[in-house]
Amino acid sequence: NAGVTQTPKFQVLKTGQSMTLQCAQDMNHNSMYWYRQDPGMGLRLIYYSASEGTTDKGEVPNGYNVSRLNKREFSLRLESAAPSQTSVYFCASSETLAGAANTGELFFGEGSRLTVL
Amino acid sequence: KNEVEQSPQNLTAQEGEFITINCSYSVGISALHWLQQHPGGGIVSLFMLSSGKKKHGRLIATINIQEKHSSLHITASHPRDSAVYICAVGGGSEKLVFGKGTKLTVNP
Repeated sequence: NAGVTQTPKFQVLKTGQSMTLQCAQDMNHNSMYWYRQDPGMGLRLIYYSASEGTTDKGEVPNGYNVSRLNKREFSLRLESAAPSQTSVYFCASSETLAGAANTGELFFGEGSRLTVL
Repeated sequence: KNEVEQSPQNLTAQEGEFITINCSYSVGISALHWLQQHPGGGIVSLFMLSSGKKKHGRLIATINIQEKHSSLHITASHPRDSAVYICAVGGGSEKLVFGKGTKLTVNP
């Protein structure tokens, strides 16, 4: 039972470097999400994919891009990392959109701690 | 935009105590989530509810749609319940609004 797997768990970047966070789920879920978690703040949605082939911006999309490679995989790319992107990143998935009653239960990956120097 | 407030921010209890964590929101919703974040950082879903009450083991979640309020109760608390509990609300779309969390510490 892998659930949601995201890699890497830890990464240190220098300002301006690029990297991709990978996420895969094995629950045949339609919807996938990338959140960031910062001290003193609630989780914030970066990008989401309601279904295979679609992606949309969330609350804080600037500086990020995403790809829904197939139904299983949803990657988050930082093209030119900035110190403000130092955060813990969580990938999540749900059967349908997370705000929908009954079918929107969220399943989270273990998180990726990113530090940008 | 929905505003989500959790109380208390921090809660310390003795093993065996009954715990209540509250969540209030400002705009009508379709679903409310209770999540648990372990000290190691992982997040798991405890409940998703749109009305009434749900129970799972020692955990009970209730929601009052009219009052825009939900509570998470833990009966017979145990040190392993120590975690951050997060409330999130959704209006039927993808964009959940998350509370900042309640940090619970249960001492033996």
